[in-house]
Amino acid sequence: GAVVSQHPSRVICKSGTSVKIECRSLDFQATTMFWYRQFPKQSLMLMATSNEGSKATYEQGVEKDKFLINHASLTLSTLTVTSAHPEDSSFYICSALDPGVNTEAFFGQGTRLTVV
Amino acid sequence: AQTVTQSQPEMSVQEAETVTLSCTYDTSESDYYLFWYKQPPSRQMILVIRQEAYKQQNATENRFSVNFQKAAKSFSLKISDSQLGDAAMYFCAYRVQGGSEKLVFGKGTKLTVNP
Repeated sequence: GAVVSQHPSRVICKSGTSVKIECRSLDFQATTMFWYRQFPKQSLMLMATSNEGSKATYEQGVEKDKFLINHASLTLSTLTVTSAHPEDSSFYICSALDPGVNTEAFFGQGTRLTVV
Repeated sequence: AQTVTQSQPEMSVQEAETVTLSCTYDTSESDYYLFWYKQPPSRQMILVIRQEAYKQQNATENRFSVNFQKAAKSFSLKISDSQLGDAAMYFCAYRVQGGSEKLVFGKGTKLTVNP
């Protein structure tokens, strides 16, 4: 299957700083990518849909200015957590749709963010 | 809005036995996809099986099969000959065909496989 690479897998940052998470489709071009947040022992919560060349579509309740999403190319989407606070600590997962296999979304390995 | 409900927070099964995980969903759409994803301790999401709503035949992938009841909006996963490596969180997910393409997940079922 298609491969989606997410980096970094773990990151620790200080309160007030920003951190960027990258999501890359390695062997296909992804016009659409998705960003999820997962709290411990809970399900995946969709944060936003990232479309190449256009603004991301955020789910209700997700702060656009805090979670900046950029999808500048067909193989890369980034999520930047700005002015991070301890409550932003979580597991973040990206996924991408392979247009050639439109029924299936492929997931990155996830990023564990800890804000201290 | 579409919702996915998994009523079993936890399930356990003996190795080599069969277990069924339940999932129901609510939608007014007629064309959609249903999925079961596995999330092991590594937290990598792995697609187990998918079902197109227009197909009456239940999907099967080796030891994994589904019981898709469209009228009842039910989509259960059966794992046969359970193996220790099947232990994981299992998420049922829904996606409308031709829409925003986003997945709606259930809350998950934690499956334990006892040796």
